[in-house]
Amino acid sequence: SSELTQDPAVSVALGQTVRITCQGDSLRSYYASWYQQKPGQAPVLVIYGKNNRPSGIPDRFSGSSSGNTASLTITGAQAEDEADYYCNSRDSSGNHVFGGGTKLTVL
Amino acid sequence: QVQLQESGPGLVKPSETLSLTCTVSGGSISSYYWSWIRQPPGKGLEWIGYIYYSGSTNYNPSLKSRVTISVDTSKNQFSLKLSSVTAADTAVYYCARGISPNYYYYYMDVWGKGTTVTVSS
Repeated sequence: SSELTQDPAVSVALGQTVRITCQGDSLRSYYASWYQQKPGQAPVLVIYGKNNRPSGIPDRFSGSSSGNTASLTITGAQAEDEADYYCNSRDSSGNHVFGGGTKLTVL
Repeated sequence: QVQLQESGPGLVKPSETLSLTCTVSGGSISSYYWSWIRQPPGKGLEWIGYIYYSGSTNYNPSLKSRVTISVDTSKNQFSLKLSSVTAADTAVYYCARGISPNYYYYYMDVWGKGTTVTVSS
């Protein structure tokens, strides 16, 4: 099955912009979805499709994709954005895979 | 507001079968994909598989020989069975609703709170 690679950890200063990336061959054909997970909580969908946000997700979250890389960008990071972020996508067999996750620290 | 709730034993003995149920409330089980995802302690998310409301399934190749996901539309529930469990199957198990508007993307928009399953004698 396909694999998705994420940086294990990223940090950003409060109010600055951060990009979290996800790499994998399946992303050349399929969109990623992005999930935020805070300690002890279930994941929450933050971005899906080309660049769609579910209701209730702040517009500082955005998504993009180029080649084999999908990106989640937080413009003006807030303290409450500190969390683990996971990308997810499907492959040609219909299997799904999560990236290893990126721990975001807001300084 | 659709809500999902996982239920099942919190402790399973090695070599036995783990069985969990996810109850869907506030909406219909029809026209969606229904997934199971797990997260071992301190580790990342792992997709286990999904079932479409009509009954078609897709499983993680690494778990396929041990996994069965079924749906009961009359009860608005879907279930997970994982056989021959070992300590490596100890994890928080989540159920989630999946949507696939077209071939190119799929996302899980509603998640249960998760249930912890420990495999130990």
